[in-house]
Amino acid sequence: SAVISQKPSRDICQRGTSLTIQCQVDSQVTMMFWYRQQPGQSLTLIATANQGSEATYESGFVIDKFPISRPNLTFSTLTVSNMSPEDSSIYLCSVVHRGRGEKLFFGSGTQLSVL
Amino acid sequence: RKEVEQDPGPFNVPEGATVAFNCTYSNSASQSFFWYRQDCRKEPKLLMSVYSSGNEDGRFTAQLNRASQYISLLIRDSKLSDSATYLCVVNVRGTDKLIFGTGTRLQVFP
Repeated sequence: SAVISQKPSRDICQRGTSLTIQCQVDSQVTMMFWYRQQPGQSLTLIATANQGSEATYESGFVIDKFPISRPNLTFSTLTVSNMSPEDSSIYLCSVVHRGRGEKLFFGSGTQLSVL
Repeated sequence: RKEVEQDPGPFNVPEGATVAFNCTYSNSASQSFFWYRQDCRKEPKLLMSVYSSGNEDGRFTAQLNRASQYISLLIRDSKLSDSATYLCVVNVRGTDKLIFGTGTRLQVFP
């Protein structure tokens, strides 16, 4: 599987602050995705991080709240801005690695708790 | 209606049992299908792809019925280590997005 390093693995944050999550892949990939998994729920796609252009957001997610950077083909960041307790969730970056059967691989996730 | 629906379980089965999970999807343009496994507080990991002809990987068998828009996963000879949540995942033709079901939780007991 693709090696995806995601950090931080967990954080506890205060309401109103922002947290930036980093995702580093061991090889160049075209598509990187950011998912959210709320407690007891399945994964929901936040946005697709495109290299060289703005991220594509899914319904219910906006750039002001979840700004994304994709400076190159191996790295992306997701920022959770102006956090509230409702943002407490696991955030996962993922990639489709076409060289390995077009499967989706995940980073180890960031467990975020907002007080 | 959810795009991908699964029975949340939990399924509590003894070691050695055979257990089957079902999944239905609503978008007929779906073209790729997967089962992922997620352990508690861990990221999902690909268990197996699902092909129209059905496919088997050791104790695991996956089936796809396109006419009924239905996917299944069969686990034979359950092990304690099989305890996890199993996620049904669907990819719609023309996109790289995967749609996840809510998962079916399996607990195998001694």
